[in-house]
Amino acid sequence: EAGVAQSPRYKIIEKRQSVAFWCNPISGHATLYWYQQILGQGPKLLIQFQNNGVVDDSQLPKDRFSAERLKGVDSTLKIQPAKLEDSAVYLCASSFRGQGSDEQYFGPGTRLTVT
Amino acid sequence: GNSVTQMEGPVTLSEEAFLTINCTYTATGYPSLFWYVQYPGEGLQLLLKATKADDKGSNKGFEATYRKETTSFHLEKGSVQVSDSAVYFCALSANNAGNMLTFGGGTRLMVKP
Repeated sequence: EAGVAQSPRYKIIEKRQSVAFWCNPISGHATLYWYQQILGQGPKLLIQFQNNGVVDDSQLPKDRFSAERLKGVDSTLKIQPAKLEDSAVYLCASSFRGQGSDEQYFGPGTRLTVT
Repeated sequence: GNSVTQMEGPVTLSEEAFLTINCTYTATGYPSLFWYVQYPGEGLQLLLKATKADDKGSNKGFEATYRKETTSFHLEKGSVQVSDSAVYFCALSANNAGNMLTFGGGTRLMVKP
C-alpha cells in the first residue's frame, strides 16, 4: 500500500513570495489533514477535510493560508504572502474514516524556509 | 481546550536501560491517546494507542497505559536499544474536536551503546 505522498520535499523562498504544497493521501482515505510543525515543537493542525468538505479550519491563518481538496482526493496548501514565521515543516496526513480512534498516516513533510 | 504536556528532552540513556517518558493531558470527554515516533530523516509514524481508560497499548517492546484518574499516558520500555533513538510525541484525539490530533512538544531520546 502506497503511503501519503507530498511534494516538494524542500522549498526555500523569500518573504512576501507565495508557495504551494501538494498532498496525495492513501487511496480510499476520506479524511485529510494539514499540520504545521515548527522546529522543536509538536505538529499543530491547520485544516481538516472530510472528502472535499472542510471539517475544521479554526487554526488556519486565513489572511495568508488557503487549502483545497476539490475532488476529495489530492489537496494543495498555499501561502501567500509568506512571512518569516511560516518557516516550518508542513505535514499532510490521512485517515480512513476520520473517527477519534483512527490512525492517521503521515507523509514525509515539506520543509519550508522563508528568508 | 485540549492540551498535552510531555517531559522535555533530550533524554540520554545507555543501551538496555529502562525508559519512561511522561505524558499528561487535558481534555473534555473521553479522548483516544497515542504515541507517535519520528526517527531521524523519517516521517511521523504511530507507535501505539489506547482508546479507553485502563487500556494498555503496546508495540516493539514499548507500553503505555491510559490512566483516566491521573490523566496520564506515560511511555515505557524495559530495555532500550540504539535504534530507539528518535523523537517521541504524545497526542490525543478528542471526539468533540473531530479527529484532529493535539500533540505534545516531543521528547528526543538518545541511546548510547
